Amino acid sequence: GAVVSQHPSWVICKSGTSVKIECRSLDFQATTMFWYRQFPKQSLMLMATSNEGSKATYEQGVEKDKFLINHASLTLSTLTVTSAHPEDSSFYICSARRGVSYNEQFFGPGTRLTVL
Amino acid sequence: GENVEQHPSTLSVQEGDSAVIKCTYSDSASNYFPWYKQELGKRPQLIIDIRSNVGEKKDQRIAVTLNKTAKHFSLHITETQPEDSAVYFCAARVEGYSTLTFGKGTMLLVSP
Repeated sequence: GAVVSQHPSWVICKSGTSVKIECRSLDFQATTMFWYRQFPKQSLMLMATSNEGSKATYEQGVEKDKFLINHASLTLSTLTVTSAHPEDSSFYICSARRGVSYNEQFFGPGTRLTVL
Repeated sequence: GENVEQHPSTLSVQEGDSAVIKCTYSDSASNYFPWYKQELGKRPQLIIDIRSNVGEKKDQRIAVTLNKTAKHFSLHITETQPEDSAVYFCAARVEGYSTLTFGKGTMLLVSP
């Protein structure tokens, strides 16, 4: 099956710093990638959808200037949390899809972000 | 937009019993319904999915049923095992569109 990797798997940073999380599709080209945020014991909340080569579409309430998403190639998308604060601490999961005609979304293993 | 409701939020069963998780959706245009299993601290894994042109799909101990008229779909797990313990999420989407809308999840606990 298709594999999606995420790096790093966990990160601890100081308040005010920026953190970059990478999401890669290892054995397929992902025209669409998704970034989710998950708080403990809660569901997956979609933050944004990104299509290769175009600007990401953010969900309502998600600050695009704080959560910068870049989908520069068909196998790589990055999420940068800028000026992180403790309330940004969460589990961030990316997901990738081959294309519009493919239904299945493949999830990365997630990144646990802790902001001190 | 689409709204997916999932029940129950927690479900405890004895090993060998059956478990049923139910979801309803609001957008009648939705026609793709996957179910994901997420173990603690791990990624969601697709376990089964169904399209609106079928009413039921089965894969070994797992089955999903869909009632388009009532706009609800259910996950059935038979002969549950302790390793089935996890959080299960239902989701819905209109085929050809990007966004999956997830339910809030059901924590299934299977006791030996």
